Amino acid sequence: NAGVTQTPKFQVLKTGQSMTLQCAQDMNHNSMYWYRQDPGMGLRLIYYSASEGTTDKGEVPNGYNVSRLNKREFSLRLESAAPSQTSVYFCASSDTGLGYTFGSGTRLTVV
Amino acid sequence: ELKVEQNPLFLSMQEGKNYTIYCNYSTTSDRLYWYRQDPGKSLESLFVLLSNGAVKQEGRLMASLDTKARLSTLHITAAVHDLSATYFCAVDGLSGGYNKLIFGAGTRLAVHP
Repeated sequence: NAGVTQTPKFQVLKTGQSMTLQCAQDMNHNSMYWYRQDPGMGLRLIYYSASEGTTDKGEVPNGYNVSRLNKREFSLRLESAAPSQTSVYFCASSDTGLGYTFGSGTRLTVV
Repeated sequence: ELKVEQNPLFLSMQEGKNYTIYCNYSTTSDRLYWYRQDPGKSLESLFVLLSNGAVKQEGRLMASLDTKARLSTLHITAAVHDLSATYFCAVDGLSGGYNKLIFGAGTRLAVHP
């Protein structure tokens, strides 16, 4: 099925561990985004990539890094996980004027 | 900086009643989205509003956009239990030269008999 694919769906990390969340889209969209969702706060933008080879910070970038590997893939890395990064992470992609498509999310718990 | 405010944040409705969710945003934008989210699920797109005065309806939900007032509303008519979910508005704003989707905090709707 066409869309945005995120892996893994669930992950438990210990404080200080690192991990990479993967995201891939097959709609040939230029822009990709990473959001986190915490209870009562809606979705907040972590990083975005307007096109292949470019990335920029969103509202809450601290503690994260991203890589736009190619047009299809946009990964989010936690170098040293903290309990405050326990959240649900959503990847999205878009093309100007055509709306946004969201992945199914990654539920991350840091203990 | 683009900010999006929704109210109310929680809404408990009786079946059959009508209610409106409000979404205010802080800077110029002519593209606004409404999403529905069920617990543990991703976001489902409900409406995309692209111009001032736009009105869209799907079943018991109707969304409108007033770009001059920077206000969108999501009106619920004769609520049923199946509408229980969290509803988000999101504004597509130009910031730093690129479009970004900024979300409101969401309205958690519970419809009860």
